[in-house]
Amino acid sequence: DVKVTQSSRYLVKRTGEKVFLECVQDMDHENMFWYRQDPGLGLRLIYFSYDVKMKEKGDIPEGYSVSREKKERFSLILESASTNQTSMYLCASNSLPLNYGYTFGSGTRLTVV
Amino acid sequence: RKEVEQDPGPFNVPEGATVAFNCTYSNSASQSFFWYRQDCRKEPKLLMSVYSSGNEDGRFTAQLNRASQYISLLIRDSKLSDSATYLCAVIPMNSGGYQKVTFGTGTKLQVIP
Repeated sequence: DVKVTQSSRYLVKRTGEKVFLECVQDMDHENMFWYRQDPGLGLRLIYFSYDVKMKEKGDIPEGYSVSREKKERFSLILESASTNQTSMYLCASNSLPLNYGYTFGSGTRLTVV
Repeated sequence: RKEVEQDPGPFNVPEGATVAFNCTYSNSASQSFFWYRQDCRKEPKLLMSVYSSGNEDGRFTAQLNRASQYISLLIRDSKLSDSATYLCAVIPMNSGGYQKVTFGTGTKLQVIP
């Protein structure tokens, strides 16, 4: 089975801290994605990458950046954490053809205090 | 109008009942459709793809209605373990080397003993 692993299940950070969320997939997928999920708002795409060193903004990129130095790893960076970035963060990956859908990591619940 | 819309529910149904959810999408050029299941505080997991001719997997049946721009999920003989939130996902016509998925906010199902 494809596995997408997120480094932390729960994180608590202080306002203004730089936060790194790591995601690793083991199936040689080209595409990787970062979403955040909030009650009533559903899954919102932050950034995605379709190749090493490539990145594209999603629907809500403000306050975030990403890094993809290796095909299997996609990192989400909160440059200066704020309380409105408290959320569940989900990493996903897939490969073309897309008919197989996404595989998600188990998520990181981030609380910014 | 949202790209993808779902009734949030909750749908409270007795064990053994049949229940159906719809998901409407606004982009008529959408090409791929999926249903995901998400348990409380867990990541979404792919339940099934939705094919043009409709498809079935055990007690689950997915249908696509392109004319009215919606997909549906029918669950027969509901089990307590079917209690979860069901997310629909839609992929627009491919415009590059990647495909970005838009998710609905989910429909909550509670199966009651």
